[in-house]
Amino acid sequence: RKEVEQDPGPFNVPEGATVAFNCTYSNSASQSFFWYRQDCRKEPKLLMSVYSSGNEDGRFTAQLNRASQYISLLIRDSKLSDSATYLCVVNPNDYKLSFGAGTTVTVRA
Amino acid sequence: DAGVIQSPRHEVTEMGQEVTLRCKPISGHDYLFWYRQTMMRGLELLIYFNNNVPIDDSGMPEDRFSAKMPNASFSTLKIQPSEPRDSAVYFCASSPPYTYNEQFFGPGTRLTVL
Repeated sequence: RKEVEQDPGPFNVPEGATVAFNCTYSNSASQSFFWYRQDCRKEPKLLMSVYSSGNEDGRFTAQLNRASQYISLLIRDSKLSDSATYLCVVNPNDYKLSFGAGTTVTVRA
Repeated sequence: DAGVIQSPRHEVTEMGQEVTLRCKPISGHDYLFWYRQTMMRGLELLIYFNNNVPIDDSGMPEDRFSAKMPNASFSTLKIQPSEPRDSAVYFCASSPPYTYNEQFFGPGTRLTVL
């Protein structure tokens, strides 16, 4: 079983729509959780950390459910520039981050 | 400030040749990571260093792969001999001390082994 599993998508949404997707992780001892964003043929970049109480960053909302071992990301009022692959990232221990395969989001005009 | 620098950006080589990828981390960062990304396997951690010392190389696929970090501002990943299945994008990333949660990635080296 993979450490982090994501729905690969793609999620095709119109501008202004809300899109949400989850990832699940296998290691219940994981302590830190993140969403990274990767544009086509570019490097991954940190989008936001995910805290136990849930957190927002502008149009982005991340949630963590430790009991069910899943993390979610919701994007409100989607922009064309939100088109990217979103990587769910879990820190099982120390400095080794485990990356999901990514969920592709395409926002159309 | 300059981000993580990798070279070359693209490398095309023939099977059996030696390939050397280079990375310069962000100044002041004391953790350095080498990843490989393919469509089939996603992003995989190969090895990481702390203060120039290899900490975990369990992700290195086999003896054909080796990595060094002779000083705080330079690291290499070498493949010898290269094989077509090594074709991938290789990323180097670095982290500052005490904030390991965020890793800053370089632009990657796209390796094609024919």
